[in-house]
Amino acid sequence: KQEVTQIPAALSVPEGENLVLNCSFTDSAIYNLQWFRQDPGKGLTSLLLIQSSQREQTSGRLNASLDKSSGRSTLYIAASQPGDSATYLCALAGQNFVFGPGTRLSVLP
Amino acid sequence: DTGVSQDPRHKITKRGQNVTFRCDPISEHNRLYWYRQTLGQGPEFLTYFQNEAQLEKSRLLSDRFSAERPKGSFSTLEIQRTEQGDSAMYLCAVALGASTYEQYFGPGTRLTVT
Repeated sequence: KQEVTQIPAALSVPEGENLVLNCSFTDSAIYNLQWFRQDPGKGLTSLLLIQSSQREQTSGRLNASLDKSSGRSTLYIAASQPGDSATYLCALAGQNFVFGPGTRLSVLP
Repeated sequence: DTGVSQDPRHKITKRGQNVTFRCDPISEHNRLYWYRQTLGQGPEFLTYFQNEAQLEKSRLLSDRFSAERPKGSFSTLEIQRTEQGDSAMYLCAVALGASTYEQYFGPGTRLTVT
């Protein structure tokens, strides 16, 4: 059974800092890993998708990496802004779709 | 705009009542998923359709829950005899293609059972 954890559970940083969010999983038999952001009371917005054969994906200030052998993915956010404040979730598509619990990010002006 | 709408956005009901939620993808997506999310947790998989066929159901989907996708387009999720533990956000997601598994989510329906 796939288990997904995300560290830290919450993070507060001043504006402009670079930061890394972590996602760990137990079963490397996955099709892809997808990172989402969720604003309070809203649905999920897709940020990046990494196919199982890929190592990383980039979109603007975001960079996500995938290391299946170690069961880890990281989401790197450069030059953080207050508008980045949200919960960030990773999800793995394998036999089922399994989400981590999320990292709640606050970027302070 | 993810191309997925959900209705209603909020629903308050009394324990024991039945409720039905609807998910409408704007364009044709052959795969459609339902998830449940409680406060502070990630979404939990409930069920999955490929076109009109319901291919997988989670153990979370008790016999009080039923989902349909009659024409392979919109989908409904019904909860019978609601319980307070059913209070959650119910999310619908769609995916294109046969191999990408990239999901796009609707805004969700927040259910409160009093």
